[in-house]
Amino acid sequence: DSGVTQTPKHLITATGQRVTLRCSPRSGDLSVYWYQQSLDQGLQFLIQYYNGEERAKGNILERFSAQQFPDLHSELNLSSLELGDSALYFCASSAGGPLETQYFGPGTRLLVL
Amino acid sequence: AQSVTQLDSHVSVSEGTPVLLRCNYSSSYSPSLFWYVQHPNKGLQLLLKYTSAATLVKGINGFEAEFKKSETSFHLTKPSAHMSDAAEYFCVVSDPVAGTALIFGKGTTLSVSS
Repeated sequence: DSGVTQTPKHLITATGQRVTLRCSPRSGDLSVYWYQQSLDQGLQFLIQYYNGEERAKGNILERFSAQQFPDLHSELNLSSLELGDSALYFCASSAGGPLETQYFGPGTRLLVL
Repeated sequence: AQSVTQLDSHVSVSEGTPVLLRCNYSSSYSPSLFWYVQHPNKGLQLLLKYTSAATLVKGINGFEAEFKKSETSFHLTKPSAHMSDAAEYFCVVSDPVAGTALIFGKGTTLSVSS
């Protein structure tokens, strides 16, 4: 158990809908990262937050957004969902420094029908 | 830009034989390199990491990797495979330009037969 929790574990929704994925980092970790794992794109970095502020952006679509709250949990919002958004979404956390290990949660599996 | 290439998409070994999973990296900077493992329907677990200290890095479950700058390689090895090693393995590099985000290889599926 990495100490990173993600909810829900599974999510099934329809095209055009909006969903929110939630992540709680390990105790004491200030950085939260979101990654998407799909069959065609592999594992891709989406976005990073550090202590409530956006730190870095990767291949995140404009339909997606995220935030980190004062208690350091993070939410990833996916809107106007398309079939191609079906994937496993991972959250990871770290203490924040460049050499710090990222610990991954179990992921949320999203299926868009 | 930094990248990693995992040279084999699938590796099959027999239990008790050595494991070699190959990874080459491309980096303009002094990279940090990692190997993560993903068991079926599980999250990602860090096996080991290289951060410019010793070039031979020992990880969990008997795995180790050697950083070879001249060959831009970071191959993962284990002397003797166990059935429980069957999983997906990812070679990963950190991207200092994008902060501390990780860049993943495509993955290598390791199968272990009895």
